[in-house]
This record gives sequence, C-alpha cells and structure tokens, in this order.
Amino acid sequence: SDEVTQPPSVSVSPGQTARITCSGDALPKKYAYWYQQKSGQAPVLVIYEDRRRPSGIPERFSGSSSGTMATLTISGAQVEDEADYYCYSTDSSGNHVFGTGTKVTVL
Amino acid sequence: QVTLKESGPALVKPTQTLTLTCTFSGFSLSTSSMRVSWIRQPPGKALEWLARIDWDDDKFYSTSLRTRLTISKDTSKNQVVLTMTNMDPVDTATYYCARTWYSGTDQYYFDDWGQGTLVTVSS
Repeated sequence: SDEVTQPPSVSVSPGQTARITCSGDALPKKYAYWYQQKSGQAPVLVIYEDRRRPSGIPERFSGSSSGTMATLTISGAQVEDEADYYCYSTDSSGNHVFGTGTKVTVL
Repeated sequence: QVTLKESGPALVKPTQTLTLTCTFSGFSLSTSSMRVSWIRQPPGKALEWLARIDWDDDKFYSTSLRTRLTISKDTSKNQVVLTMTNMDPVDTATYYCARTWYSGTDQYYFDDWGQGTLVTVSS
C-alpha cells in the first residue's frame, strides 16, 4: 500500500499555532481524516473529509488539503491538546492507511 | 449514545488463534449503512486497519492480513467477532473496534471507538 507520512514530532508553545502535515500520493483524490490519541486512550476523530469538524471538537482544530498534502492546524494550542495525531486516508489501491503519527508537545 | 467494547484473551501463545468480540450499543448492524471495523496498534506504533463488516454482511480485509482474518456479526447480540489465526509475537497490540461511516469517493472513516483490548502474544 502507499505510505502516508507525517513528521514524528511538533512542538508548540501554549496559545501558538501548531501545524501537522500529512503527505500521500492519493491525497489529491482522497479525503484526509485526523485522529487525536492521548496517552492510554482510544483515538478521537477531530477532522473528517479534509476540513469538517465533528460536533464537540473545539473550533481551534481545523483541516485543509492541497495536492499531495493535508494539514491539521491547532490555532491557539492548549496544554490539553498534547497528544499523538494520526492522519488517515485511502491509498490508490483502496487500502485504508493510517499515517505514521505525530507527537504534539505543548510547552 | 454509541458505545463499543472489545473483549477477548489478554494473552495468547504463538500459533494459536485469537478471537475478539466487539459488543456495541446505540446502533444496529441490521440498519442500512451501518458498519464496524477492527483496528490495531502495537505498543508505541501507528494504527493499522484490519477488517470491516457491513450491515449487508459484506466483509473486507487488510490486504496484508487477509489470509489470517475472519470477521462476522451476530446482529441479535449486537456483536462483531474477529478471528486471527497463527498468532505471532509481532501481533502483540491493542485491538480496537470502531463504528465505520462511508464518506463517498470509496472512503470510510471511524467515528466511535471502543476502549481497546491489549493482546500479548507470548509463549
């Protein structure tokens, strides 16, 4: 299956903006989804279909996609946003693919 | 309110078959468009999609694990069962079940997840 790659880590100061990227060859034709996973917990959907936010997810989480790259933006990051974030999509063969994950540190 | 919960053995021996059960509430797999997937996560590693079953009993498997996986459902019990044969230590992971939605453009995503169950493969 095609890979979906993410940077291993992103650091941000509280109140600043964090941007997490996701790169995949199928992204020009496929949606990206983003999951937040805090330590010891199940993943939580924070963005679906590139930019849509599920109910209950704070407005500081937003998504965008252009070409082979999707981006999750956390505007005004909070300490409670510290987590692993996974991009998810479908590759060119129809396989469900999760990204490699990005650890976001807020300090 | 949708809830899902995974159950099964915490420890299996190499070469054994693993059977996991996902018991859910808040939706029915007899309802059109309902789907449930299994996803796993080795300790400290990324998520990996394993299998999906749809309301009409269509079944889909990870290309790399297809020969080892079987997914089934018991609609009357609101349960989905995953079996994985020939377990190996590399299969040690937390196994999650998740309700699955269709996005269009042949894509699916997972909104509600169970808490996960850790399965260790060791002799």
